Amino acid sequence: GNSVTQMEGPVTLSEEAFLTINCTYTATGYPSLFWYVQYPGEGLQLLLKATKADDKGSNKGFEATYRKETTSFHLEKGSVQVSDSAVYFCALLFTGNQFYFGTGTSLTVIP
Amino acid sequence: EAGVVQSPRYKIIEKKQPVAFWCNPISGHNTLYWYLQNLGQGPELLIRYENEEAVDDSQLPKDRFSAERLKGVDSTLKIQPAELGDSAVYLCASSLGGGLDTQYFGPGTRLTVL
Repeated sequence: GNSVTQMEGPVTLSEEAFLTINCTYTATGYPSLFWYVQYPGEGLQLLLKATKADDKGSNKGFEATYRKETTSFHLEKGSVQVSDSAVYFCALLFTGNQFYFGTGTSLTVIP
Repeated sequence: EAGVVQSPRYKIIEKKQPVAFWCNPISGHNTLYWYLQNLGQGPELLIRYENEEAVDDSQLPKDRFSAERLKGVDSTLKIQPAELGDSAVYLCASSLGGGLDTQYFGPGTRLTVL
């Protein structure tokens, strides 16, 4: 079956630290991969996406590379800010419009 | 551009009572989704509409849940009767089309069933 496994949180980092949130997936076929972010009190927002192997999605300093060989889509940021504190969801999407979300990773960045 | 609007934001009811959630998608978005998000989990799709047609409702518990999207714009999700296990956040999302079009999520309705 299709599933997404995310690194468990919560994650607490100091400002300007390097961030990695691991995401691996199991899929039949070749899905598109997404990271969504949910800031406190707000709805989910698309952060970045990649639609095929070796694609790199990037936005707001965050990056993730679609690795077919390791079935991974790890989220990274070189220097986090307090404003990055949120819950991050990895997700995969098949052409049948079925989204599979991970369980979310809560990030808190302290000054 | 206005985002996806949902109401109410919070709802508390007693079990066996009915409840309804309303969603107004982004103008011009043909595809509308309802998701269920349990605490500490990612969203799970309940139903997807293409215009006014429900094209995927395989995950909707049809014994107590129903949904409609009249005129292909606003949508309503109903639970009747509600059970304790229905306590969750109900999310609405919309996209221009299906496929890989970006889904824009509303803030959700947090339902508590007592």
